[in-house]
Amino acid sequence: SAVISQKPSRDICQRGTSLTIQCQVDSQVTMMFWYRQQPGQSLTLIATANQGSEATYESGFVIDKFPISRPNLTFSTLTVSNMSPEDSSIYLCSAAGQGIPQETQYFGPGTRLLVL
Amino acid sequence: SQELEQSPQSLIVQEGKNLTINCTSSKTLYGLYWYKQKYGEGLIFLMMLQKGGEEKSHEKITAKLDEKKQQSSLHITASQPSHAGIYLCGADINSGNTGKLIFGQGTTLQVKP
Repeated sequence: SAVISQKPSRDICQRGTSLTIQCQVDSQVTMMFWYRQQPGQSLTLIATANQGSEATYESGFVIDKFPISRPNLTFSTLTVSNMSPEDSSIYLCSAAGQGIPQETQYFGPGTRLLVL
Repeated sequence: SQELEQSPQSLIVQEGKNLTINCTSSKTLYGLYWYKQKYGEGLIFLMMLQKGGEEKSHEKITAKLDEKKQQSSLHITASQPSHAGIYLCGADINSGNTGKLIFGQGTTLQVKP
């Protein structure tokens, strides 16, 4: 099965700063996504990371707050900008499509973010 | 309102007992995924169901998707402490295999030795 890694695994940040989270897949994949899991909550899709073009954001999420890059078929980054304590969450990337078994969507281990 | 409802929210069972977790939607589910999450960790993929009436099994876990593709169940037979964790159902409610998933609130399972 594909291996998805994320960096950093956790971080504690000050409000007003930004953090960039990296997601690396060990094979080329068609689709990559970013999700947020707020404390005690389930997962919410932030955006689809599109290779070579702008990400597609879900309702309630905007590019200025969560800029996303996807320079190739194995790598993506999510930046959480101008952070506030409400951004404290686990951020997870996922991948599907080519390079991943059909009918499967794998998730990375997550990045646990605490904003003070 | 939650588009994907999971029940029960939590479950405590004695080791060796069977249990069932349900996942229900008012919308057609074009792909239904079951994951297991241990506290603070990522999601472990269990199974994906796509066709109405489909059933899949892996070890002691069986998942089914109803004919209308609006409800799924996850059944664990002879539960073990290793089954403990949070079970999440995720679904693609968009036709065309978008991969964009919505998730239920999760079911926390404890298995008492």
